[in-house]
Amino acid sequence: AQKVTQAQTEISVVEKEDVTLDCVYETRDTTYYLFWYKQPPSGELVFLIRRNSFDEQNEISGRYSWNFQKSTSSFNFTITASQVVDSAVYFCALFSKNAGNMLTFGGGTRLMVKP
Amino acid sequence: EAGVVQSPRYKIIEKKQPVAFWCNPISGHNTLYWYLQNLGQGPELLIRYENEEAVDDSQLPKDRFSAERLKGVDSTLKIQPAELGDSAVYLCASSFNIQGYNEQFFGPGTRLTVL
Repeated sequence: AQKVTQAQTEISVVEKEDVTLDCVYETRDTTYYLFWYKQPPSGELVFLIRRNSFDEQNEISGRYSWNFQKSTSSFNFTITASQVVDSAVYFCALFSKNAGNMLTFGGGTRLMVKP
Repeated sequence: EAGVVQSPRYKIIEKKQPVAFWCNPISGHNTLYWYLQNLGQGPELLIRYENEEAVDDSQLPKDRFSAERLKGVDSTLKIQPAELGDSAVYLCASSFNIQGYNEQFFGPGTRLTVL
C-alpha cells in the first residue's frame, strides 16, 4: 500500500513571505512518481510538477521550488515571495504501477496568503 | 485545445433520487478516471478506464454507483439512489498512457449536494 501525508492542514502567511508545504510519502516500489497539484477555489486541479524516483535533483520554476529527498521520503514545495493568488489547496500525490496504477493523494494543505 | 469537460458543475438533489454526471476527456486521451473528493480531503479514485474497459473499479460502491464509457470517449457516472453521504465533488481526469505514466488532467468537477 502507498500513502501520502501532508501534515499541515492549513497555513496562513502574509504576502511576500516564503512558505514551505511538506509532503511525506510511503511506498514499497523503487520506481514511482511524485506530483504537486494546486486546487484554487474554482475546483480544478492544476498540475504543477512531476518527479520520478530516480531524479533527486531539486527544481526551481519561478517562485516555486521543490526539494525531493529519498532518504527521508519527502517531497517539499516552497513558494518564495508568496502572493495572494497563491491562495489555494495544494495536494501532493504519488503514483506507482505496482500499486495498481493509482494516483494516491495526500489530504492537502490549504494555503492562505493575506495582503 | 479544450480541457476535460464535466457537467453539470453543480447538482442538488434529495436523498434517494438518482443522479448522473458526464465527462468528456481531452481529445485523444485513452485513459479516463473518476475521483471522489470529500470536503477537506484529497481525491480518491473510484474507477479507471483504459479506452472502453474498466480496468480498476475496486473503489466503486457497486450497490449504488455505476459508470460507463461505451465508445471509449466520454463517460457517465451514475448514483442510484443517492444518500446524504454522497455529497462531495466528483472529479473526472484523463491522460494518454502508452508506456510509463503520464500526467492526469483534471476537469472542474461536479459538486453534488444531497439533501
